[in-house]
Amino acid sequence: ETGVTQTPRHLVMGMTNKKSLKCEQHLGHNAMYWYKQSAKKPLELMFVYSLEERVENNSVPSRFSPECPNSSHLFLHLHTLQPEDSALYLCASSRTGTGAETQYFGPGTRLLVL
Amino acid sequence: QKEVEQNSGPLSVPEGAIASLNCTYSDRGSQSFFWYRQYSGKSPELIMFIYSNGDKEDGRFTAQLNKASQYVSLLIRDSQPSDSATYLCAVNGAGNNRKLIWGLGTSLAVNP
Repeated sequence: ETGVTQTPRHLVMGMTNKKSLKCEQHLGHNAMYWYKQSAKKPLELMFVYSLEERVENNSVPSRFSPECPNSSHLFLHLHTLQPEDSALYLCASSRTGTGAETQYFGPGTRLLVL
Repeated sequence: QKEVEQNSGPLSVPEGAIASLNCTYSDRGSQSFFWYRQYSGKSPELIMFIYSNGDKEDGRFTAQLNKASQYVSLLIRDSQPSDSATYLCAVNGAGNNRKLIWGLGTSLAVNP
């Protein structure tokens, strides 16, 4: 247990569905991250939030919409996804949001888009 | 494009041997270097970080950094079957210090 939880752990959705991924951290950190992990590709950073402010948007398509209501919670809203969006979506947190810190990962949401 | 390169493996070593995992990076200004371990079906967890040239030891793990040659390595002594996992190298770039650049990972198999 890293202190970062994610729900749901598995999600199957059609291309016309709308769903949301949830992440919660119990570590008192100020920064939270969304990553995408696909087979045979490095971890791809999607978004970074520091003190609830989005500080990094890594050219992610608009069908992915993040929300950070406070420093403990992070959401990723999904709509009209494509089959190539099927992947493991990982949430992470760190103390302040610089790249020099340890990032603590949640267990991930395995997403399948049909 | 800033890159982090790792041999994808699989690297296979017998139990008790030393496993040597290597990583090279392209951004000469990189300052922080991390090794994460990822078991199959699980999320990455930090093994070690290193900031300065030279060696850093933590139990059976030693990280080695050579900034002049732009490589960082991880040695695992007395390898155990429980060390079988994918090892991810991550490097913090000089230009955007919020972002880690990740390698593809090296798959390690320790055979009993």
